[in-house]
Amino acid sequence: DAGITQSPRHKVTETGTPVTLRCHQTENHRYMYWYRQDPGHGLRLIHYSYGVKDTDKGEVSDGYSVSRSKTEDFLLTLESATSSQTSVYFCAIGDHRGPGTEAFFGQGTRLTVV
Amino acid sequence: GENVEQHPSTLSVQEGDSAVIKCTYSDSASNYFPWYKQELGKGPQLIIDIRSNVGEKKDQRIAVTLNKTAKHFSLHITETQPEDSAVYFCAARSDNYGQNFVFGPGTRLSVLP
Repeated sequence: DAGITQSPRHKVTETGTPVTLRCHQTENHRYMYWYRQDPGHGLRLIHYSYGVKDTDKGEVSDGYSVSRSKTEDFLLTLESATSSQTSVYFCAIGDHRGPGTEAFFGQGTRLTVV
Repeated sequence: GENVEQHPSTLSVQEGDSAVIKCTYSDSASNYFPWYKQELGKGPQLIIDIRSNVGEKKDQRIAVTLNKTAKHFSLHITETQPEDSAVYFCAARSDNYGQNFVFGPGTRLSVLP
């Protein structure tokens, strides 16, 4: 794996509680992404960051917030978890200095909201 | 926005046969098309990619073709092996959406021994 660590790897939480997922990279890549993966939907972008304190919304951002205070860390927060946010969450990083450069994915965090 | 469709959703082949997965995209400005392989319990890993100025790319048993006019691209796996069994995702990236990737829904490939 390309120097990406997601924590925790598994989490069970109750509806209405806040949850924060962490993505840590050692590659010094500028771009970081949070995706969720659900059956039949593939990978859908939640939020992304293109630099420290520079973030933007993706396709499914409602109910999620992010923060990036350091190049290496990108946090995803569910302010008040709901059952519809039960999913597998993947962090990805990318350099993208030129056209057509890939994104590298972490191992994923399986979140269950009960 | 960009929309990526992928077919088939499941594919079973006999070991040694070829497998083909097809994707279409909607944004003519898309210029980069990676393919990812995801094994159970792991994150997606890039297996091959193609840029919009290239029609075909090959890497050993894997090849990707791109038809910009028709806005579709395909993954070809020859001489399939049981370890090719996984979920495969295509994706497209357009400068219209920054550096974001839009993924297809995935194809579950099973290679039967």
